[in-house]
Amino acid sequence: DTGVSQDPRHKITKRGQNVTFRCDPISEHNRLYWYRQTLGQGPEFLTYFQNEAQLEKSRLLSDRFSAERPKGSFSTLEIQRTEQGDSAMYLCASSPGVWGTDTQYFGPGTRLTVL
Amino acid sequence: KQEVTQIPAALSVPEGENLVLNCSFTDSAIYNLQWFRQDPGKGLTSLLLIQSSQREQTSGRLNASLDKSSGRSTLYIAASQPGDSATYLCAVNSGYSTLTFGKGTMLLVSP
Repeated sequence: DTGVSQDPRHKITKRGQNVTFRCDPISEHNRLYWYRQTLGQGPEFLTYFQNEAQLEKSRLLSDRFSAERPKGSFSTLEIQRTEQGDSAMYLCASSPGVWGTDTQYFGPGTRLTVL
Repeated sequence: KQEVTQIPAALSVPEGENLVLNCSFTDSAIYNLQWFRQDPGKGLTSLLLIQSSQREQTSGRLNASLDKSSGRSTLYIAASQPGDSATYLCAVNSGYSTLTFGKGTMLLVSP
């Protein structure tokens, strides 16, 4: 297995534009997580999916953010009307179990820069 | 609300030294604790996961301990090498299916 993959690795956009990121988890992993990491900080939880169901969303996930995981495979994270404060590394992780206590395996991240 | 603190924020050592990184958390009701490594501009690599019922885990030159009652974990790195230079992150799983991270310890091992 090649691990968690994310695309694109880097994205530069202008304020007000919409962006979409994709995450492909490790095959047959039930859970998929999105985190955001700003410079000098640890990652912060955004949302997670159990198969195709989005089970929890952080208060950090404003209404400009939306995430999907159709068919319980890959996931997309869309940010509408980007703001400079959205500039960060967006990390995706997956885990095999259904209880949420397994090791989480992280992808390489997508670095977003909003000009 | 769970809070995770890592000390020191940065550490610089000469090659060959043994070192200890510290992690503390405020709520001892955890399921497990995970240590990660992050290279600049990269994603996270899982190093060790300690379940709440365990006291320590070892992988090669790395040893992580957990004292749940006092809310502390340490990561011990033996015989450090320049390739160990990275940021080390501690993350706690409090059973709500998400990880709470510390800000990390930036380690520099000089030849």
